[in-house]
Amino acid sequence: DTEVTQTPKHLVMGMTNKKSLKCEQHMGHRAMYWYKQKAKKPPELMFVYSYEKLSINESVPSRFSPECPNSSLLNLHLHALQPEDSALYLCASSQDGEGTEAFFGQGTRLTVV
Amino acid sequence: GENVEQHPSTLSVQEGDSAVIKCTYSDSASNYFPWYKQELGKRPQLIIDIRSNVGEKKDQRIAVTLNKTAKHFSLHITETQPEDSAVYFCAASDSNYQLIWGAGTKLIIKP
Repeated sequence: DTEVTQTPKHLVMGMTNKKSLKCEQHMGHRAMYWYKQKAKKPPELMFVYSYEKLSINESVPSRFSPECPNSSLLNLHLHALQPEDSALYLCASSQDGEGTEAFFGQGTRLTVV
Repeated sequence: GENVEQHPSTLSVQEGDSAVIKCTYSDSASNYFPWYKQELGKRPQLIIDIRSNVGEKKDQRIAVTLNKTAKHFSLHITETQPEDSAVYFCAASDSNYQLIWGAGTKLIIKP
């Protein structure tokens, strides 16, 4: 199984809503990532979890809150987002986070209204 | 910190011809260089990668070359086909092993 599964595929939320994005992998990978991708731009790293511990937070606003309940799951909790946060949110995993192939999920297309 | 530049931003080639995309990086300690293909509306997918102890790697119609001295690496696609149309991203690892991405190249294959 080389799949990273993300839910939901699409999400529309108001600026006062609270929602969560979910990501799951069963490849035994110990590093998991959240990326944000705007149209016609490369993915932009938000957070890295390594062995279930937050190892990198790329100065992301606190309205984005990551959570890693176990080695297979990664969540991104969203609260009080702004319209400019609308983007494709990609989850990825890699074997150990040290220069190995990253497998991406299909992404959640988020629209903030 | 690491910086990756990618050229060209758009590349249009005739079906059957070759395509070459080039990237340069700034951090001489970078040691992992993947190439990702992203079709419209889909996820990025690794197509080939190379490590700093290797100068060239090939997988069927796709090859990557790395020049550590000059700090540049290139993607070569031969005998291009319509399904090669996509955006291609190069990346290089930084000192924390995280990927620094190029801006992307939109490859258009003309029939």
